[in-house]
Amino acid sequence: EVQLVQSGAEVKKPGESLKISCKASGDNFNNYWIAWVRQMPGKGLEWMGIVFPRDSDTRYSPSFQGQVTISVDKSTTTAYLQWSTLKTSDSAMYYCARPKDGFDVWGQGTKVTVSS
Amino acid sequence: DIQVTQSPSTLSASVGDRVTITCRASQHISHWLAWYQQKPGRAPKLLIFKATTLESGVPSRFSGSGSGTEFTLTITSLQPDDFATYYCQQYDNFWTFGQGTKVEMK
Repeated sequence: EVQLVQSGAEVKKPGESLKISCKASGDNFNNYWIAWVRQMPGKGLEWMGIVFPRDSDTRYSPSFQGQVTISVDKSTTTAYLQWSTLKTSDSAMYYCARPKDGFDVWGQGTKVTVSS
Repeated sequence: DIQVTQSPSTLSASVGDRVTITCRASQHISHWLAWYQQKPGRAPKLLIFKATTLESGVPSRFSGSGSGTEFTLTITSLQPDDFATYYCQQYDNFWTFGQGTKVEMK
């Protein structure tokens, strides 16, 4: 059974950088994609992008292309979502998930707060 | 991009009610549609995939129907644990979520 465990909540200032993580366990990490999903406060779910650990193939939603970077470390079975310059509008809950038929496994979420 | 329109945005219902939520895709997506339940402060939970297939462990009062561009999630007898927000998601071409339907107590 696949499990996804995300890093803890973050509080940052505008302009700072950030990298959050999603550690996978329980199945062959190289055999499935990992997706990232944003949920802004009181709002719906938005798919951001995906990464395939075997070859680091990465795809982005047009809405997030150039705004974030998704990466993976096969040696630690961990996927990452990072920002080089945070904005207050990046404040949200971020989930990683496994896309299979729908997203069948989800991390617990990482809350990111960006405030001066 | 495939757009997904979900309705209603809010639904007031009582325990025991039959509840129906609709999802429309902007183009044909065959049966590549999933439904999720989300409770406050929790990650979404997959209920149904391939439009009609119940995820393991999901109660049989949940069912999905439809294909092509029109889809429905039905809860046959609403239980107290079912008050939550529900999302549909197309996965024919990458992924797009509907706007969500909050099922609240009447």
